[in-house]
Amino acid sequence: KAGVTQTPRYLIKTRGQQVTLSCSPISGHRSVSWYQQTPGQGLQFLFEYFSETQRNKGNFPGRFSGRQFSNSRSEMNVSTLELGDSALYLCASSLGNLVGSSYEQYFGPGTRLTVT
Amino acid sequence: SQKIEQNSEALNIQEGKTATLTCNYTNYSPAYLQWYRQDPGRGPVFLLLIRENEKEKRKERLKVTFDTTLKQSLFHITASQPADSATYLCALRSGTYKYIFGTGTRLKVLA
Repeated sequence: KAGVTQTPRYLIKTRGQQVTLSCSPISGHRSVSWYQQTPGQGLQFLFEYFSETQRNKGNFPGRFSGRQFSNSRSEMNVSTLELGDSALYLCASSLGNLVGSSYEQYFGPGTRLTVT
Repeated sequence: SQKIEQNSEALNIQEGKTATLTCNYTNYSPAYLQWYRQDPGRGPVFLLLIRENEKEKRKERLKVTFDTTLKQSLFHITASQPADSATYLCALRSGTYKYIFGTGTRLKVLA
């Protein structure tokens, strides 16, 4: 089974620009979560999608948004980039279809975003 | 506020010894706790999950304990090897569909 893929792997953007990151989950997984990882803050939850619906959201400003397509692929968008948005952005897929259950999350390799 | 702490940022141990990593949490009543391994430049890899009604879980050289009274989980690697060197993260499910991660412990096993 192919793992979680993320594109692009590396990205350099300028302050004020916007960026779109893509994530393809493991086949059969309908849940995709996004995380921001920085040395100071660790892994911070951004949002989670299941069957094209956002089910939960972390404490990030509205500049961070996402969506999920009918094939479970997901994108996240960051508008008006700030220097502090430089981070490793990770997506994780899981089955996610049983309320009250806990799931193994399978992470992609991440997209390293640098904002200059 | 809800918080997860992993007791040390870095831990160095000698090859062959048992590494013990700690995860403490406050203001949670998690039903599950997970442990992940992360190597530099890569995404975390799931290792073990333990449920609140399980005191201990084992997988090969790995052992996890979960004490809901102390609000603590311990992660042990027995007979540690240099290849075990990595950052280890604990994670709790917070509410529905949302996971909170600790900041991780960087383990270095010295040959």
